[in-house]
Amino acid sequence: DTGVSQDPRHKITKRGQNVTFRCDPISEHNRLYWYRQTLGQGPEFLTYFQNEAQLEKSRLLSDRFSAERPKGSFSTLEIQRTEQGDSAMYLCASSLGGQGANYGYTFGSGTRLTVV
Amino acid sequence: GEDVEQSLFLSVREGDSSVINCTYTDSSSTYLYWYKQEPGAGLQLLTYIFSNMDMKQDQRLTVLLNKKDKHLSLRIADTQTGDSAIYFCAESTPSASKIIFGSGTRLSIRP
Repeated sequence: DTGVSQDPRHKITKRGQNVTFRCDPISEHNRLYWYRQTLGQGPEFLTYFQNEAQLEKSRLLSDRFSAERPKGSFSTLEIQRTEQGDSAMYLCASSLGGQGANYGYTFGSGTRLTVV
Repeated sequence: GEDVEQSLFLSVREGDSSVINCTYTDSSSTYLYWYKQEPGAGLQLLTYIFSNMDMKQDQRLTVLLNKKDKHLSLRIADTQTGDSAIYFCAESTPSASKIIFGSGTRLSIRP
């Protein structure tokens, strides 16, 4: 297992364009999380899935953001009509649900989004 | 509400011990974590402690938890240049639905 993979590593887009990021979690992990990290800040929770069900969404996740995990494996995060304030590192993490989640997540290396 | 606070910077001499401090507000936190982030990389779990423990030691790392004061610390013994990174304190909620992170402490090592 190669850990949590995120694609692309970097994305530069023009304001107003749509972008989509992909996350492949560790295969046996049933929980998948999306976080956003801006410069000088810690990761902020966006949303999480248990299998294919999206169980919680942060207030940070405006209606321009949508996340899916259609088969309970990989996940996509789409941002529509990007704004400069969306520029950040988008981190994906996975864990085993239940007690396993308490032992911390495994994070991917992130997708750095720059909106120009 | 949930909030985790840390000082932003710490500078120590190579070979000395580093102590990074953190305070949290949610008294119902069950697990507390320390993550390390090196430049351009994701977060790496260093260690965690269950809320009914006072101390946990793992090689050069010692975690101390004062649940009464909601204070967590990470001590790194014999700090090396490879320890330069940002260290994040984090807590999880009883439902374990998500982990809340602090803003991170940037540790720099001087010769």
